[in-house]
Amino acid sequence: DGGITQSPKYLFRKEGQNVTLSCEQNLNHDAMYWYRQDPGQGLRLIYYSQIVNDFQKGDIAEGYSVSREKKESFPLTVTSAQKNPTAFYLCASSITPNTEAFFGQGTRLTVV
Amino acid sequence: GQQVMQIPQYQHVQEGEDFTTYCNSSTTLSNIQWYKQRPGGHPVFLIQLVKSGEVKKQKRLTFQFGEAKKNSSLHITATQTTDVGTYFCAGGAGGGNKLTFGTGTQLKVEL
Repeated sequence: DGGITQSPKYLFRKEGQNVTLSCEQNLNHDAMYWYRQDPGQGLRLIYYSQIVNDFQKGDIAEGYSVSREKKESFPLTVTSAQKNPTAFYLCASSITPNTEAFFGQGTRLTVV
Repeated sequence: GQQVMQIPQYQHVQEGEDFTTYCNSSTTLSNIQWYKQRPGGHPVFLIQLVKSGEVKKQKRLTFQFGEAKKNSSLHITATQTTDVGTYFCAGGAGGGNKLTFGTGTQLKVEL
């Protein structure tokens, strides 16, 4: 089945540790995105990539890093510099920017 | 930067009542998309509007894009319990730019 997969679904980390969230898609989409969602709030864009080997900062990129070495993969690293990392992280992809976005199931990260 | 606001933030209705959420952008949009997120789930695409003044319908859902392409609305007629969730608009500014999501409207439907 075609789709977008995030893993793991739940992730626990100690404060001060870096953690990498996985996002893989087999939809052959050029554009991929990472959003952060806090309880009762909307989706805030962390990073996005319009094509392989290229990515841009979104609205809340500080404390995060990404790579786009393959079309299918867009991993997000939450670094120790992110002051409040506990949140629900959503990865999405679309054929091209500004077209229908397909979301993964999300990763709920808890930092203790 | 571009901002997209939605009102209301929350809405409780009785089953059978109508519901409307409004979306307003600080900048002119090339297109507007609507998504639904069920509790505990992820956003799912509903529709995209591109033309000024465009109106589209999906069964009990009616979507409008404003003439100035800076606002949009989603209207649900005769809500059902299956309509429960958070509805997000997302605006595209064209030129290959990112989608900016609105703040969302959480809908609760009571029997």
